[in-house]
Amino acid sequence: QVTLKESGPGILQPSQTLSLTCSFSGFSLSTSGICVSWIRQPSGKGLEWLATICWEDSKGYNPSLKNRLTISKDTSNNQAFLKITSVDTADTAIYYCARSGYYSSYIPFAYWGQGTLVTVSS
Amino acid sequence: DVVLTQSPATLSVTPGERISLSCRASESVDTYLHWYQQKPNESPRLLIKYASQSISGIPSRFSGSGSGTDFTLSINGVELEDLSIYYCQQGNSLPFTFGSGTKLEIK
Repeated sequence: QVTLKESGPGILQPSQTLSLTCSFSGFSLSTSGICVSWIRQPSGKGLEWLATICWEDSKGYNPSLKNRLTISKDTSNNQAFLKITSVDTADTAIYYCARSGYYSSYIPFAYWGQGTLVTVSS
Repeated sequence: DVVLTQSPATLSVTPGERISLSCRASESVDTYLHWYQQKPNESPRLLIKYASQSISGIPSRFSGSGSGTDFTLSINGVELEDLSIYYCQQGNSLPFTFGSGTKLEIK
C-alpha cells in the first residue's frame, strides 16, 4: 500500500526558508522509474507543479519559481524534501507530495499525500 | 510552458445526465494528458491517464478521449458524489502544467 505524508512548519515569516518533508511507504525512491513530486495549491485556487526528483537523482524544477527551489531525497529513510527560499505571502498554500515516475516518459501523479498547509505571515 | 485551458469553468448538472468537460492545450501534448478529481477538502485523485486509459477503482462512468491539443472528460450518468473540481494535467514536457479546473455543481 502506497502512502505519502507531508510535514512542514505550519507558519513562517516572509523572507524565511520553507522546509518541507514527504515521508512515504509502499515504494522506494531507489527503485528504477520511481519519482516524487511536489505540487501546491493556494486556498481556493488551482494546482501548481513545483519540482520532481527521480530514483537516479535527476531533478526538474518549475522555472516560474526561478532559483528558489531545492528538491532532495533520503532513500534510506524513505523521505523527499523541498526547500523554498525567500518566501512571501504568495507562497501560502497547501503543499502536496505525490508519487510519479519515468519510464521513457513521465507517468502521472497516481498517489498523493494529504497535504500540509503552509502560511506565510508577519 | 504548455497552457491548458479548461471549459466551462463551472457546470451545473442534473443527476443522471451525461456531460463532457473540455481541456485544450496551447501546443500538442500527444496523449500525455491526465485528469484528476478533487473533492472538497481532499487531495486530488487520478481519474484518467494518457487521455483515455482507465484507472483501477475509478467508476466506469468516467471516460476520456482526445489527442494532440483537444481532450474531453466524459461522465456518463453524473452522480451526487461527483461534486468536485476536475483538473487536466499535461505530462509531455517540463514544466508540468495543470488546467484551471472545471467545477461540477449538482442542481
